[in-house]
Amino acid sequence: GAVVSQHPSRVICKSGTSVKIECRSLDFQATTMFWYRQFPKQSLMLMATSNEGSKATYEQGVEKDKFLINHASLTLSTLTVTSAHPEDSSFYICSASEEEHYGYTFGSGTRLTVV
Amino acid sequence: GQSLEQPSEVTAVEGAIVQINCTYQTSGFYGLSWYQQHDGGAPTFLSYNGLDGLEETGRFSSFLSRSDSYGYLLLQELQMKDSASYFCAPRRAAGNKLTFGGGTRVLVKP
Repeated sequence: GAVVSQHPSRVICKSGTSVKIECRSLDFQATTMFWYRQFPKQSLMLMATSNEGSKATYEQGVEKDKFLINHASLTLSTLTVTSAHPEDSSFYICSASEEEHYGYTFGSGTRLTVV
Repeated sequence: GQSLEQPSEVTAVEGAIVQINCTYQTSGFYGLSWYQQHDGGAPTFLSYNGLDGLEETGRFSSFLSRSDSYGYLLLQELQMKDSASYFCAPRRAAGNKLTFGGGTRVLVKP
């Protein structure tokens, strides 16, 4: 089945620094990937759609200059949280789907803690 | 726009049957997915309904009625490992976006 790999699984960074999270589709090509954020005991909130070879599409209220998305190849999308602050601490998850399937596969998530 | 409603929490005993309802208002609705998420883990795909009716996958079944903007996930022969959060997620045709409801926390007791 489809596998999506996400790294790192956990990261602690200092306030003001930037953090890059990678999302790879291991056995299929993904022209589109999605990035979500989840706070404790809450639902997944779609942040943006990552489009291979073009600009990402951000959901309303998500700052594109703060959450930089790059989708340079058909198997890799990256999310960079720039100038991170404690309120950015959250669980970030990516997902992708093989075209012929209706289910989306999620990465294992990245728990970001900004101190 | 979109709105989703599902119960926040359900408690049941092992071996029981649980039905999680989901009502939605989604522009450009394409189909309804269900995902399971254990605490600290990533969501895993359970089921998808693109057409009206029942889809059965082992102990889990999902139903969709497009005319009623309603679906449900049926968990049968509950096991302790089924304790998790369950999300209905309408799929929209535009951009194939997948957005999630608030989730239903299922607690299975011995």
